[in-house]
Amino acid sequence: AQTVTQSQPEMSVQEAETVTLSCTYDTSESDYYLFWYKQPPSRQMILVIRQEAYKQQNATENRFSVNFQKAAKSFSLKISDSQLGDAAMYFCAYRRLTGNQFYFGTGTSLTVIP
Amino acid sequence: SAVISQKPSRDICQRGTSLTIQCQVDSQVTMMFWYRQQPGQSLTLIATANQGSEATYESGFVIDKFPISRPNLTFSTLTVSNMSPEDSSIYLCSVVMFAGGDGYTFGSGTRLTVV
Repeated sequence: AQTVTQSQPEMSVQEAETVTLSCTYDTSESDYYLFWYKQPPSRQMILVIRQEAYKQQNATENRFSVNFQKAAKSFSLKISDSQLGDAAMYFCAYRRLTGNQFYFGTGTSLTVIP
Repeated sequence: SAVISQKPSRDICQRGTSLTIQCQVDSQVTMMFWYRQQPGQSLTLIATANQGSEATYESGFVIDKFPISRPNLTFSTLTVSNMSPEDSSIYLCSVVMFAGGDGYTFGSGTRLTVV
């Protein structure tokens, strides 16, 4: 079964600084999707970034980028120039290529310090 | 992407009672899902709501406890039956426009507290 591990329950970062959130996963499949979702206090799950495992190039979305290490089964999220609005719970998630179920990690609560 | 309206946003219920949560989407979607997020935990898939047929439940979840309806392509309900304090969680609806597609959207959830 697929498992997703986020070993950092809480992280903090100074405004305008950079922070990296860690995620590892376990799977026997070669192709799959990986995601980072943001959940602010409103509870809305917001897609931050998505990576296809068959793509070697790391995904980037504005201030958000990932470091995808397929062999190590690692998928970290880097947030550059952190803003107060980035404060939220961040979930790493895995989804099979041919399936609809997401497997989520336990989340990392990010605090942005003004 | 689809816009989801989930009701109620929160509720406090007595043990032994049932609560029905509604998920309304502003456009037709192929697939609808229900997730549970227990306090301090991650999201766990309860079931896939199928239009016109019984929902497909994940291991550990049963229809008697979590009956689900999906009468059309834009609406689904999840009922939490015979509630106990252990059912206190956030319940989220999620949809995707097309099977195998990538545009997954999550509702803002229903925060349920059972006393």
